[in-house]
Amino acid sequence: EAQLLESGGGLVQPGGSLRLSCAASGFTFSSYAMTWVRQAPGKGLEWVSAISGSSGVSTYYAGSVKGRFTISRDNSKNTLYLQMNSLRAEDTAVYYCAKGFNAFDIWGQGTVVTVSS
Amino acid sequence: QSALTQPRSVSGSPGQSVTMSCTGTSSDVGGHNYVSWYQQNPGKAPKLMIYDVSKRPSGVPDRFSGSKSGNTASLTISGLQAEDEADYYCCSYAGSYTFVFGGGTKLTVL
Repeated sequence: EAQLLESGGGLVQPGGSLRLSCAASGFTFSSYAMTWVRQAPGKGLEWVSAISGSSGVSTYYAGSVKGRFTISRDNSKNTLYLQMNSLRAEDTAVYYCAKGFNAFDIWGQGTVVTVSS
Repeated sequence: QSALTQPRSVSGSPGQSVTMSCTGTSSDVGGHNYVSWYQQNPGKAPKLMIYDVSKRPSGVPDRFSGSKSGNTASLTISGLQAEDEADYYCCSYAGSYTFVFGGGTKLTVL
């Protein structure tokens, strides 16, 4: 069974950094593009970033995080990452990793990021 | 990139059909066939219900169907069941390898 498991969330001060991880299992991780989606408390879903499959040479970002967040992958560890720098209060959300690029067919359970002083 | 426009809520009785809309622009919904729909129950991760406008992943009941006309995509649920009560989000390719979600529609089964 295909599964995704996020980790790395927590409480961080404004301006701080955090790295999220997403461990994949049950499918050939390297073959698929992967995506990060977030959901602020009581709000809707927001597409954050995506990375191409295989070597992950292509990365894409929402305007709201471009220049602050970096997506990457380690296919040898079946793991997706999201490095988040210069965090702001508005980055507070549940962060989900999801399998796919045009549509997201497998989702993790999410990890909570809270940016507050 | 502005969020796609979805009605905040829709409702229907068991057995009825409901349709919810997702309105964007010619740069997103109207310009591409990468529209997907997600069901989300409280405290849970979203679940893919429709992709590429009208395709259903395996395991999704055929009561769920998707369509698109111009800049508006629609999700129709026929034979409404109590278990369908959830939040529904649409998502569309928005160009430049980015995607945009709608604000979500809360479906209430009366």
